[in-house]
Amino acid sequence: EAGVVQSPRYKIIEKKQPVAFWCNPISGHNTLYWYLQNLGQGPELLIRYENEEAVDDSQLPKDRFSAERLKGVDSTLKIQPAELGDSAVYLCASSLSGTGGMNTEAFFGQGTRLTVV
Amino acid sequence: QKEVEQNSGPLSVPEGAIASLNCTYSDRGSQSFFWYRQYSGKSPELIMFIYSNGDKEDGRFTAQLNKASQYVSLLIRDSQPSDSATYLCAVKYSGYALNFGKGTSLLVTP
Repeated sequence: EAGVVQSPRYKIIEKKQPVAFWCNPISGHNTLYWYLQNLGQGPELLIRYENEEAVDDSQLPKDRFSAERLKGVDSTLKIQPAELGDSAVYLCASSLSGTGGMNTEAFFGQGTRLTVV
Repeated sequence: QKEVEQNSGPLSVPEGAIASLNCTYSDRGSQSFFWYRQYSGKSPELIMFIYSNGDKEDGRFTAQLNKASQYVSLLIRDSQPSDSATYLCAVKYSGYALNFGKGTSLLVTP
């Protein structure tokens, strides 16, 4: 069974340019997460989807970040315009259920390492 | 703010010893607890999850949960150099996303 697939693996852009990341979760997983991870830190939630609905986006900087999960499967995270401080690893994860208790184990993709210069 | 606290380390143990990694959390309503291993430059990999008080064993790994003390730990028996990595504790609160600690760096020395 394929795991969580993310692309691209690496991206280097100039500041003020737009960038987009793509995630394909594990088949059948209803919950999809986008996390941001800075060096030496744990992952920090950007947004969580239950199927196609964004149920937790309080940490998403909405002035420049946007996300969508059309049809409740693939998801795209976009930054426009990018700033130097956005350089980080962007991780996508998915789980069967996001409501708590059992079946909430989340599995991560390989991540996208973004460098803004 | 729901906090997940871990000692950043590094925790250094000799090969063959038991490594003990600890995590505390702030919200008593939490339901699910996870340990992830993250090698440098790689994404987090799920090692163990535990939902109920007590111990859960999987090979060389044992997760321990004490909800009354709001404490979860991971024991690694017969530690190997390949276990050297950062170990992330994550806590799931009902209706909320998986919340991670900053991780503990483990170094197993030959």
